[in-house]
Amino acid sequence: EPEVTQTPSHQVTQMGQEVILRCVPISNHLYFYWYRQILGQKVEFLVSFYNNEISEKSEIFDDQFSVERPDGSNFTLKIRSTKLEDSAMYFCASTRDGFYGYTFGSGTRLTVV
Amino acid sequence: AQKVTQAQTEISVVEKEDVTLDCVYETRDTTYYLFWYKQPPSGELVFLIRRNSFDEQNEISGRYSWNFQKSTSSFNFTITASQVVDSAVYFCALSEVGGAAGNKLTFGGGTRVLVKP
Repeated sequence: EPEVTQTPSHQVTQMGQEVILRCVPISNHLYFYWYRQILGQKVEFLVSFYNNEISEKSEIFDDQFSVERPDGSNFTLKIRSTKLEDSAMYFCASTRDGFYGYTFGSGTRLTVV
Repeated sequence: AQKVTQAQTEISVVEKEDVTLDCVYETRDTTYYLFWYKQPPSGELVFLIRRNSFDEQNEISGRYSWNFQKSTSSFNFTITASQVVDSAVYFCALSEVGGAAGNKLTFGGGTRVLVKP
């Protein structure tokens, strides 16, 4: 079964450093997403991406965050200057048409120290 | 704005008992999708079911069953004859149709299910 692949599975970074989280969505999917889950809390939407641009973003997704699809396969989330409160599990997801096959990757656990 | 409420934060059962997880949602749209995901201790989100708002038929898949009632805005999930491997956090989620391209999911707070041997 097709999978969404995320790397790394765990990243530790110092406060103030930039991090890039990487995702390879399912190959024929057109819609891409990032979600965040702070430990023990619910999963929260960050941003959706379609046709090479952001289609929607949440209030969490401030100027410190950016997304990019640098080539035909990767989808990245960059956090410019990490804060302690950015520590969370970050999930990438993709769908074929916005609903079907809404598949999540296994997540990247980001720890900011 | 859409909202999903899972009032049960944790449920503990003994193996072979049935367990029902409640999900209540709010949306202004008449067309929407509802989802259930399982998050085992390893942390990934495992898709269980998607149901659109026009399909109120209940569904059974193995030991899992879902009861969708539009009149009460509920989409409840039952695990029959629970097993230790069912121990996980279960999330209900809602997506509205007609929003910005690439519809986001709004998740409930999750229900932790602990199945004891």
